[in-house]
Amino acid sequence: SQKIEQNSEALNIQEGKTATLTCNYTNYSPAYLQWYRQDPGRGPVFLLLIRENEKEKRKERLKVTFDTTLKQSLFHITASQPADSATYLCALVPLTGTASKLTFGTGTRLQVTL
Amino acid sequence: DAGVIQSPRHEVTEMGQEVTLRCKPISGHDYLFWYRQTMMRGLELLIYFNNNVPIDDSGMPEDRFSAKMPNASFSTLKIQPSEPRDSAVYFCASSFRQGSYEQYFGPGTRLTVT
Repeated sequence: SQKIEQNSEALNIQEGKTATLTCNYTNYSPAYLQWYRQDPGRGPVFLLLIRENEKEKRKERLKVTFDTTLKQSLFHITASQPADSATYLCALVPLTGTASKLTFGTGTRLQVTL
Repeated sequence: DAGVIQSPRHEVTEMGQEVTLRCKPISGHDYLFWYRQTMMRGLELLIYFNNNVPIDDSGMPEDRFSAKMPNASFSTLKIQPSEPRDSAVYFCASSFRQGSYEQYFGPGTRLTVT
C-alpha cells in the first residue's frame, strides 16, 4: 500500500544550526512533492514545491531535495531560528490520476532552542 | 484577500446531533478540499470539488458525512448523526488549477463530540 513516512519524533536543534527533515514514500510515483508548515491551532501553509525532474529547490533559508531513486525528500532550514519551530508536513501529488489530490505525511515537529 | 474562511472555529456537540461546518474559499480558486486532522491519522482528504462539482469523495468515512458546494464561494460539510470518533480538526482548503497546485488552508474547525 502507499505510504508516506516522516519522523514522528520531534527534532530538537539549537539556534543557528541546520535542521534536516526527512520524507520517505513507498509505492508511489509522485509528480510533485510539497512541503507545508503548520503552527499549533492553524492550518498548514505552503512553503515549497519540487517536481520529479528537479533535484533541488531553494527559497531563502529553505532547501528541498528530491531523490526519486531513494524515494525520499529532504527539507533543510539553514541558520535556524526559534521562529522556525513548527510542524512540517510533506505532501505528494501523484504522477497519474488527479493532479490536485494531495496525500500528506503525518509531519515532523521541529523545536529550535536558544 | 481574506484567505479561506471557516466557521465555526470551535464546535462542541452531543453524540447524535447534526453538525454543519462551513467554508468560503479564496475568490477565483476553482478547487475546494475538505480535510480531517487527528493525532492518530494525520491530515486526511475527505472530499474535493472542482468548479463546484464533487470529484472524489473516496475519503468520506461513511454515509453520515456529506458535503455540498452550491456555488463558487461556499461549501458545507455535514455530519449526521455525529459520533465521538468524529472529534477532530476539520480543514477546508482551496487552490487554483494553474500553477504550483499549492493549497491554501483555512484556520480549521475543532469539533468535539461528547
